[in-house]
Amino acid sequence: KAGVTQTPRYLIKTRGQQVTLSCSPISGHRSVSWYQQTPGQGLQFLFEYFSETQRNKGNFPGRFSGRQFSNSRSEMNVSTLELGDSALYLCASSLGQINEQFFGPGTRLTVL
Amino acid sequence: GEDVEQSLFLSVREGDSSVINCTYTDSSSTYLYWYKQEPGAGLQLLTYIFSNMDMKQDQRLTVLLNKKDKHLSLRIADTQTGDSAIYFCAESMDSSASKIIFGSGTRLSIRP
Repeated sequence: KAGVTQTPRYLIKTRGQQVTLSCSPISGHRSVSWYQQTPGQGLQFLFEYFSETQRNKGNFPGRFSGRQFSNSRSEMNVSTLELGDSALYLCASSLGQINEQFFGPGTRLTVL
Repeated sequence: GEDVEQSLFLSVREGDSSVINCTYTDSSSTYLYWYKQEPGAGLQLLTYIFSNMDMKQDQRLTVLLNKKDKHLSLRIADTQTGDSAIYFCAESMDSSASKIIFGSGTRLSIRP
């Protein structure tokens, strides 16, 4: 069974631009969660989508948004990029239970 | 608020046992987890424990939970070079695999 895939793996943007990251969950998984990982703040929960609906949201500004499609693929968008948005963005998919959760390799975003 | 704390580094000799400690503040945490992150990779769920359990063993891994002191530990028996990684302690309120609160991670290094 294919794992969680994230595209692109690496991305370089400049301040003020916007970016869209993609996550394809494991086939059959309906829950997709997004996390931001930085050296300073560690791993922080962004949001979770389940069956195309946002089910949980972390404490991030409105510049961070996401959506989920009917095939469970998810995208997250960051508008008006700031230097502090440079991070590894991880997504995780699951059937809905923790013991079925799998993480993707992440997208490393660098904002210059 | 929710907070999970871990020491940043641990160095052990190959073949010895490693013990990684974690404290959490949210007494309503129901599920506590240990994740492993190898360089350049996403997160891998190693094991988890329900808050009504004191101990869980899975091959070389032993998780101990002291709910009174809000202290969680992960013991890795017979530590091998392949165990070199960052280990994250995490908590959540339910088993839905969403909105997981992570600690800062403990970098485990193995010396010969």
